[in-house]
Amino acid sequence: RKEVEQDPGPFNVPEGATVAFNCTYSNSASQSFFWYRQDCRKEPKLLMSVYSSGNEDGRFTAQLNRASQYISLLIRDSKLSDSATYLCVVNYNAGNMLTFGGGTRLMVKP
Amino acid sequence: GAGVSQSPSNKVTEKGKDVELRCDPISGHTALYWYRQSLGQGLEFLIYFQGNSAPDKSGLPSDRFSAERTGGSVSTLTIQRTQQEDSAVYLCASSLAAQGYGYTFGSGTRLTVV
Repeated sequence: RKEVEQDPGPFNVPEGATVAFNCTYSNSASQSFFWYRQDCRKEPKLLMSVYSSGNEDGRFTAQLNRASQYISLLIRDSKLSDSATYLCVVNYNAGNMLTFGGGTRLMVKP
Repeated sequence: GAGVSQSPSNKVTEKGKDVELRCDPISGHTALYWYRQSLGQGLEFLIYFQGNSAPDKSGLPSDRFSAERTGGSVSTLTIQRTQQEDSAVYLCASSLAAQGYGYTFGSGTRLTVV
């Protein structure tokens, strides 16, 4: 079983739609959680951290459910520019080693 | 510097040759990581440096791969006797040491072994 699992997609949605991705992690000792975004042929970039109480950044909302060991990302009012791969990332080691999920591909269509 | 800098951005090499990839992390970041990403695949961890501690080499795929970090800053990833399956984008990232900080990635080196 992978340590961080994501549905690879692709999720094909129309502009303006709301879309949600889930991610599950296997290690209950995990302490830090992030969503990264990776555009085609580019490096991953930090989208947002995920906090226990849930957090929002504009159209993006991240939630953490420690009991069920999953993380979610909700994107409202999708834009064409949101098309990318979204990586779920977990820190469960001592220090700051991050474990990356395989990513979920989102394609927003006109 | 302002970001993580990697060089070269692209490298084409012949099978069997050695290559060196360079990473210059963000100033003040004590942790440095190497990953590789094959076309359409996820990130594969290679090696992790944290301050003066012994590096975590658990992700290196074979003894043809090695890395060093001099003076706690610049890192070099060396691949000896390259094989076609080594073709990938090699990504370097750095972070603050404390837990809970995300990584900042460089733009990567695209290695093609022909």
